[in-house]
Amino acid sequence: QSALTQPASVSGSPGQTISISCAGTSSDIGTYDFVSWYQQHPGKVPKLIIYAVTDRPSGVPDRFSGSKSGNTASLTISGLRPEDESDYYCTSYRANNPHVIFGGGTKLTVL
Amino acid sequence: EVQLVESGGGLVQPGGSLRLSCAASGFTFSRDWMSWVRQAPGKGLEWVAKIKEDGSQKYYVDSVEGRFTISRDNGRNSLYLQMNSLRAEDTAVYYCAREVWWRFDNWGQGTLVTVSS
Repeated sequence: QSALTQPASVSGSPGQTISISCAGTSSDIGTYDFVSWYQQHPGKVPKLIIYAVTDRPSGVPDRFSGSKSGNTASLTISGLRPEDESDYYCTSYRANNPHVIFGGGTKLTVL
Repeated sequence: EVQLVESGGGLVQPGGSLRLSCAASGFTFSRDWMSWVRQAPGKGLEWVAKIKEDGSQKYYVDSVEGRFTISRDNGRNSLYLQMNSLRAEDTAVYYCAREVWWRFDNWGQGTLVTVSS
């Protein structure tokens, strides 16, 4: 039950644009458009910020966007702000159990 | 407003048992799949178990299969996780989450389970 592959860390300066990748396989990201992204600040509860590859729940700023190409999904944050410093996790549906798999998480540092 | 409130965590010895509960409100509980997701200290998120709206289907991550049992009581708007034969590697914060089309759109605040002698 391999996890999706994310970079351990990324960084950027305020105002910049960064992207976090999430690599899967043809059994998950490559076939299904059920990719989600979660933001988790230290000691806090995870928060859904992107679902169905590109959709944002109500209240999530449009600075957050999602995309997918082949077996890899990406989260892009534009106009980086200090409060974006957080851990980010991707998930995808896959047909076999476990039906939802998580990425290992990426720590975003806003310099 | 959707609310999920977990309880039942604590310190337990290896081999012991614990039952987690999750009280749901603010939505029609009986219409949604529900999941348990855990996070070991300093580690990432891991899906643990899920249960269909009517309780007729249940799925588990391999590492807990045969030791953990997920259940629900739609009359009480409650989700449960019975954890037996606990191991040190089960130490984690356990979150209750509503699952809609394979995304977790609402989470509880979590309950800490520590397995240690």
